[in-house]
Amino acid sequence: AQSVTQLGSHVSVSEGALVLLRCNYSSSVPPYLFWYVQYPNQGLQLLLKYTSAATLVKGINGFEAEFKKSETSFHLTKPSAHMSDAAEYFCAVSDLGYGGSQGNLIFGKGTKLSVKP
Amino acid sequence: DSGVTQTPKHLITATGQRVTLRCSPRSGDLSVYWYQQSLDQGLQFLIQYYNGEERAKGNILERFSAQQFPDLHSELNLSSLELGDSALYFCASSGVGNTEAFFGQGTRLTVV
Repeated sequence: AQSVTQLGSHVSVSEGALVLLRCNYSSSVPPYLFWYVQYPNQGLQLLLKYTSAATLVKGINGFEAEFKKSETSFHLTKPSAHMSDAAEYFCAVSDLGYGGSQGNLIFGKGTKLSVKP
Repeated sequence: DSGVTQTPKHLITATGQRVTLRCSPRSGDLSVYWYQQSLDQGLQFLIQYYNGEERAKGNILERFSAQQFPDLHSELNLSSLELGDSALYFCASSGVGNTEAFFGQGTRLTVV
């Protein structure tokens, strides 16, 4: 069965500092992997996705993630945090990997990012 | 704005009651997904419909049911409601072919 583990339910960084949100996955098939962001009282917005092409994936708002098969990881990074990045971030794996639907997702428990001025 | 519309935004109802949540997918999207987000369970996939037919089922209770209509909008019906059903319910849609899902803003259900 596929699963996603996000390390750290809360991460706090200073404005301008590196953002690193950790995600490890478990999958018996090659995975599709996603990062979504949820701002307060809003829905989920796709930041980026990995679907077996380049292992370094660039997303919106300056975020990127690297797929590392040997470490079963898909960590999200941003070189310089901005106050507007404060939100909850979810890592997800598409059920059944390449054969599965990209909307049929298994989510991690989320990481709340706080950005200090 | 994702283009996915959910109504109502908020719903307060009593235990034992039945409610219907509505979702209009993005124009042209054939797949609709329903998710439940709660503090204890996190985000859980409930069910997927594709062009009117059930495609996949997740952790959906027997008290819950869904359908997708010919105009592609979808409804999630929740019955015999319990306090533990209080949650944020999201609808998402995706297009033809295997593409990413776009989420609506959710319906917050409070059962009292």
